[in-house]
Amino acid sequence: RKEVEQDPGPFNVPEGATVAFNCTYSNSASQSFFWYRQDCRKEPKLLMSVYSSGNEDGRFTAQLNRASQYISLLIRDSKLSDSATYLCVVNDSSASKIIFGSGTRLSIRP
Amino acid sequence: IAGITQAPTSQILAAGRRMTLRCTQDMRHNAMYWYRQDLGLGLRLIHYSNTAGTTGKGEVPDGYSVSRANTDDFPLTLASAVPSQTSVYFCASSDSSYNEQFFGPGTRLTVL
Repeated sequence: RKEVEQDPGPFNVPEGATVAFNCTYSNSASQSFFWYRQDCRKEPKLLMSVYSSGNEDGRFTAQLNRASQYISLLIRDSKLSDSATYLCVVNDSSASKIIFGSGTRLSIRP
Repeated sequence: IAGITQAPTSQILAAGRRMTLRCTQDMRHNAMYWYRQDLGLGLRLIHYSNTAGTTGKGEVPDGYSVSRANTDDFPLTLASAVPSQTSVYFCASSDSSYNEQFFGPGTRLTVL
């Protein structure tokens, strides 16, 4: 089993739709979690950190489920500009391990 | 400089040649990282440095070396390049190993 797993997609949804991705991780000692966005041929950029209580930033909501060892990202009212690859990141600082998922491709169609 | 920069932007290299990829940040971040990104494999950590003067091996360190003489610079060296090192290389930094990382624009390296 991979340490961090994501559905590679692609997810192809119409503009205005709500879409959700999950990311599972295998190490229960993992301590911090993030979602990054990567546009084609560009560097990854932080979208949001994921906190235990869940957090929201505009149309984006991130949640952490430690019991089931997954994090999720929900995008509401999707825009064409949301088309990108979304990477989940799991950080186990005690083991000095930072693991990036392979990413989920999202394509928003008009 | 604003943020984190990498040089060169792209490079074509003959197998067996030595190559150093440069990375500089001006955010005074303690931690720096080198990743390679290959289609279908995502980002894989090559080497990292938690603070100036220290380095550590990541998931795929073989064939690569790094140094961290000061806070700002973290060069990655390929002593004798091989075609399997063809990839996009990203440098990143963070103020601590717990926090979010900021990435440079990447270097596209082709080894023939």
